[in-house]
Amino acid sequence: DSGVTQTPKHLITATGQRVTLRCSPRSGDLSVYWYQQSLDQGLQFLIQYYNGEERAKGNILERFSAQQFPDLHSELNLSSLELGDSALYFCASSPRGSGSSNEQYFGPGTRLTVT
Amino acid sequence: AQKITQTQPGMFVQEKEAVTLDCTYDTSDPSYGLFWYKQPSSGEMIFLIYQGSYDQQNATEGRYSLNFQKARKSANLVISASQLGDSAMYFCAMRPDSSASKIIFGSGTRLSIRP
Repeated sequence: DSGVTQTPKHLITATGQRVTLRCSPRSGDLSVYWYQQSLDQGLQFLIQYYNGEERAKGNILERFSAQQFPDLHSELNLSSLELGDSALYFCASSPRGSGSSNEQYFGPGTRLTVT
Repeated sequence: AQKITQTQPGMFVQEKEAVTLDCTYDTSDPSYGLFWYKQPSSGEMIFLIYQGSYDQQNATEGRYSLNFQKARKSANLVISASQLGDSAMYFCAMRPDSSASKIIFGSGTRLSIRP
């Protein structure tokens, strides 16, 4: 158990809908990262928040947004869902905001299925 | 370009044998971190081991060791005395200092341990 929690574990929704994925980082970790894992794209970094502020952006679509709250939990909002958004979405946390040794601990993931 | 290459899509190994999973990387950053993650069929990403680019010694964590050859830009994972529970996908990843937060993942190697 990494100490990172994600809810829900599974989510099935229809195209065009909007969903919110939730992540609670390990105790004491200030950074939260979101990743998307799909069969054709592999593991892709989406976005990072550090202590409430956006720190880095990766391959995140405009239909997706995220935020980190004062209690450090984070939410990833996915809107106007398409079939191709079906994937495993991971949240990870780390103690610091940057640094090459800053290993990230992953949550169990949320499996999103868009029908 | 920053890239991680894992050339073995799948491997079969007899239980109790040692196994080496290959990983090569490409970066122009002088400072970077290298990571290995394990993803069992249940889906979670488990952090295994970390190697810093300036570390003089190869990293070890229990049965896991990282064979770091900087000149060759390789960071192979060695699992000694493999167990049935080692069957999983294994991802090599890199975090260059210049990328701030982004971890770049390889495409993974599926390891299957035969009893």
